[in-house]
Amino acid sequence: AQSVTQPDIHITVSEGASLELRCNYSYGATPYLFWYVQSPGQGLQLLLKYFSGDTLVQGIKGFEAEFKRSQSSFNLRKPSVHWSDAAEYFCAVGGDTGRRALTFGSGTRLQVQP
Amino acid sequence: GAGVSQSPRYKVTKRGQDVTLRCDPISSHATLYWYQQALGQGPEFLTYFNYEAQPDKSGLPSDRFSAERPEGSISTLTIQRTEQRDSAMYRCASSLRDTRRETQYFGPGTRLLVL
Repeated sequence: AQSVTQPDIHITVSEGASLELRCNYSYGATPYLFWYVQSPGQGLQLLLKYFSGDTLVQGIKGFEAEFKRSQSSFNLRKPSVHWSDAAEYFCAVGGDTGRRALTFGSGTRLQVQP
Repeated sequence: GAGVSQSPRYKVTKRGQDVTLRCDPISSHATLYWYQQALGQGPEFLTYFNYEAQPDKSGLPSDRFSAERPEGSISTLTIQRTEQRDSAMYRCASSLRDTRRETQYFGPGTRLLVL
C-alpha cells in the first residue's frame, strides 16, 4: 500500500531564506507525486506534480521539487521564502492501479519570520 | 462554476443527528472525490464518483456514511447518527476525467463539529 511521511511537523524560516520541506513515500511502482498548499480558510491548492520524465519539477509561486527514486523522496524547495508562503504543505502520492485515491502525508506547517 | 464549492462551511450538530454535506464540482469535471481530514492530519480518501457511478467507496469508515451523485454533478455526503469521532473537515475535490494522472481540485471544505 502507498504511504507518505512528512518528518517535519512544523518549520520556521526567516523571510528571504531558502526552504526545503521533506517528503518520503512508499510505493511499489513509479508513483504519481503531488505537493499541495493549504492556507487558512482555503482549499488545498496544487503547487506541482510529478508523473514521469524530468525529475526536477517546477511549480507555481516559485516552488520546485525533485523526485529521487533511490531515496524515495520528493522534497519541496524554494530559494527565497516570502511571508505569504506561511501555510500548511501536504505531500501526496497516487497512482495505485485502479485507484484514484490520493494518500496524503500529515503535513508540514511553515511559519515565516520577518 | 469557477471552482469547487461546498456547503455549509461550518456545521455543528449533536451526537445522534444526521447531517448532509454538499459539494458542487467544477462544471466540466466528470470525477468527484470526498476526503475526511482530522485535525493535524492530511486528508483521507472516503469515496469517489465518475459521473453518477461510484467505483470506489472503500474509504467510508462505516455504514453510517453514504454519498450520492444522482445526476453526475452535485454530490452529497450523509452521515447518519453522528458520533463525536466524526468531527473533522470534509473536503470535496473534482477532476476533469477519471484517470490517475488528473489533478484533483479541492474545495474549501466543511468543518463538522459533533457535540
